[in-house]
Amino acid sequence: DQQVKQNSPSLSVQEGRISILNCDYTNSMFDYFLWYKKYPAEGPTFLISISSIKDKNEDGRFTVFLNKSAKHLSLHIVPSQPGDSAVYFCAASAQGYSTLTFGKGTMLLVSP
Amino acid sequence: DTGVSQDPRHKITKRGQNVTFRCDPISEHNRLYWYRQTLGQGPEFLTYFQNEAQLEKSRLLSDRFSAERPKGSFSTLEIQRTEQGDSAMYLCASSSRTSRTPDTQYFGPGTRLTVL
Repeated sequence: DQQVKQNSPSLSVQEGRISILNCDYTNSMFDYFLWYKKYPAEGPTFLISISSIKDKNEDGRFTVFLNKSAKHLSLHIVPSQPGDSAVYFCAASAQGYSTLTFGKGTMLLVSP
Repeated sequence: DTGVSQDPRHKITKRGQNVTFRCDPISEHNRLYWYRQTLGQGPEFLTYFQNEAQLEKSRLLSDRFSAERPKGSFSTLEIQRTEQGDSAMYLCASSSRTSRTPDTQYFGPGTRLTVL
């Protein structure tokens, strides 16, 4: 039973446009959400996070939106750059627990 | 801040052999985690330590797997009698958990294990 789902295995975007990566979760105990970026043969790199008390968090070109009623979050990258091409993982943790539950990832390809 | 480091980066072994991986967390981070990632999947939690205490183990961690963090600094993950199904990327992460902040984990580059 996948508690964190990234239903789009891949996404292609042109440079300069917006990239929107989506994530759904089923566990209502999750209260902290993170996005990681991963290049081949490297470990995941932390990008941005959001607590369940907020519905938006912004850091430069990256913005994460959280819709608790829909159990849905999204990562917006504006403007997209070729260097953003990587696999993006959504992860979640529940209050009182330290472990992260990851989705399967979405491969983003930004073409020049 | 040198980040989380892992050694070795790659390991090829024959079925039945024992392997040991090392993880050095970000200094002053009190929590250390091990995850495993197979092709097409996200990382899956294996175990974690707070200082030297192992606080949680996943059911994925069979009795062939053992992890230690003897002095609350670096950690080792040993796999005994390796099987081909153990082939994966083994990721280590660390965090500095306080009561007021959520637990953001920072990952190392991983150790790629191939069991022949």
